[in-house]
Amino acid sequence: ETGVTQSPTHLIKTRGQQVTLRCSSQSGHNTVSWYQQALGQGPQFIFQYYREEENGRGNFPPRFSGLQFPNYSSELNVNALELDDSALYLCASSPGVAGRTDTQYFGPGTRLTVL
Amino acid sequence: AQSVTQLDSHVSVSEGTPVLLRCNYSSSYSPSLFWYVQHPNKGLQLLLKYTSAATLVKGINGFEAEFKKSETSFHLTKPSAHMSDAAEYFCVVSANDYKLSFGAGTTVTVRA
Repeated sequence: ETGVTQSPTHLIKTRGQQVTLRCSSQSGHNTVSWYQQALGQGPQFIFQYYREEENGRGNFPPRFSGLQFPNYSSELNVNALELDDSALYLCASSPGVAGRTDTQYFGPGTRLTVL
Repeated sequence: AQSVTQLDSHVSVSEGTPVLLRCNYSSSYSPSLFWYVQHPNKGLQLLLKYTSAATLVKGINGFEAEFKKSETSFHLTKPSAHMSDAAEYFCVVSANDYKLSFGAGTTVTVRA
């Protein structure tokens, strides 16, 4: 069974640029969630996708957007990058039905640095 | 609304001694509670999960946690710390929805 994978591992961008991060779900999982973890803090929920539809969103501006594809892989897009967007971005997949608290399995993360 | 407070930002123990990580939660509904561990430059690994079954939950690597509704607590313990337990630990709550709410984390160091 393949776990959750993310790419790239590290990324350096400059302010104002756009970035796309990618995530492959664990086999058999149809739900993907994205989290932002700033240095020294706990992860913060960005949004969740269930069967290609956004299922819920945290307190992040619209320049954070996402997609989920028919194979349940996912992308996180961030436009107009700001210095405060520098963080570890974590993707998590879960097997279940929207609205139910399933265990979420995390990938290793993408470290984004904005200069 | 749901939230988690981890009462210790840093815990230092000697190898072979017990570990206690304290967590209090707040939730409008009957919550699911989790403990995750994060080793340096790694993703999050699930240690254990509580979902309204037995109040004492056993996890991986010898960890266990006890759910106490009257105290709104979900403390994590391990009888004997190992050097490999040095990591960041997160208490997490989810109240019948899709979102996980993380605590600020507790850094565990293990002295030889």
